[in-house]
Parts: sequence; C-alpha cells; structure tokens
Amino acid sequence: AQKITQTQPGMFVQEKEAVTLDCTYDTSDPSYGLFWYKQPSSGEMIFLIYQGSYDQQNATEGRYSLNFQKARKSANLVISASQLGDSAMYFCAMRPNTGGFKTIFGAGTRLFVKA
Amino acid sequence: TAGITQAPTSQILAAGRSMTLRCTQDMRHNAMYWYRQDLGLGLRLIHYSNTAGTTGKGEVPDGYSVSRANTDDFPLTLASAVPSQTSVYFCASSDSRKPYNEQFFGPGTRLTVL
Repeated sequence: AQKITQTQPGMFVQEKEAVTLDCTYDTSDPSYGLFWYKQPSSGEMIFLIYQGSYDQQNATEGRYSLNFQKARKSANLVISASQLGDSAMYFCAMRPNTGGFKTIFGAGTRLFVKA
Repeated sequence: TAGITQAPTSQILAAGRSMTLRCTQDMRHNAMYWYRQDLGLGLRLIHYSNTAGTTGKGEVPDGYSVSRANTDDFPLTLASAVPSQTSVYFCASSDSRKPYNEQFFGPGTRLTVL
C-alpha cells in the first residue's frame, strides 16, 4: 500500500533561518514522483517542487530544495531563509507512475515563521 | 484564465439528502481529482479520472460517485449524505503531458452535513 508520513504536526522557525520538513513514503512501485504543496491560511493549494524517483540530483526551486534519500524513502523539504509568508501548511505527496495518476498526500506540517 | 472553479463555495446539507459538487477546469487538463481535507488527515483522494470517459477509485470512495463526460467537468455526487462527509472538498486537475504532471487545485467547497 502507498503511504506518506509527515511526523511533524507543527514546526517553528525563526525568520531568515532554514527549516526542514520531514516526509517519508512507502511504495512498491519502482517509478514514482514526489511533490510538495503549500496551503496558506487562505486555503488554496500551491505546488512547490517535484522530485522524480530516478532523478540523480535533488530538486531545487528558488528557496525550496528537496532532500531526496531514496534508500531511506525520504523526501524532506528544505526552506532556506524563511520568510513570514512561509507560514502555512505543507503537504508531501507521492504519485506512482503506474496505475494511473492516483496521488497520495500526507497529513501535513504546519509551519510557523517567527519574526 | 479561471483555472479551476468549484461550486458551491459552501453548503449546509441535511443528512440523507443528495448533493452534487461541481468542478470545471479551463486548462484542457486530461486528469482530474477529488479530495477531501480533514483536520489531521491531510488530503485524501476520493475519485480520480485520467481522461474523459474514465474514472477510478481513490482511498475513500465509499458514499461518493463521479462522472467525466467531457474534459472540463468532473462533478462529485453524494447520493445520501452522512455527517461523516462533513469536510472541505478540493477538486484538482493535471496535464500528464507536462514533465511533472503537478496538480492545480480549485478553491474548495466547505460542506457541512447535519
């Protein structure tokens, strides 16, 4: 069965510091994609970053990077130089590349950025 | 470009009544999805559709049905609502031709079943 685990219900970070949000996953599919989405208090879901299971390098997108450790089945999101606007819920998600486009989400981590 | 629209924005529904949540996208994405979001549980996939004319079951399909008659619309129907279906419902779409096939989400529908 596919599963995403985010073990940090809430995280605090000081403005301008870096923070790592944890995500582990479980799948038997050899090929899959990993995603991170941000949900601000306004409620919309915003795509942040993607990592393919066969990608050799960790994905980066501006201040976001994904620390992908395939053997450990982890895909942690690193946010550098945190800003107040980063305060939000963050969801990790996985989509196996077989069997259609079913995407499974984790329970989320709420990040609070302190001034 | 509107992206994805959902209607209604919110609804209070009596238990036992039926309801259809509407979802329309104007991006010509082939895949569409319905999720429910509950506190502490994240987003759970209800149903999805890889392309018009096909649908599939997600993690929590019981009590819900969908149809995909065309590319743009993906309505979600609750045949006989129960209080446990109180949730925020998100519709999403994606284009499998794009490198990441990332999902774009609608604004959500807040449903309360009493």
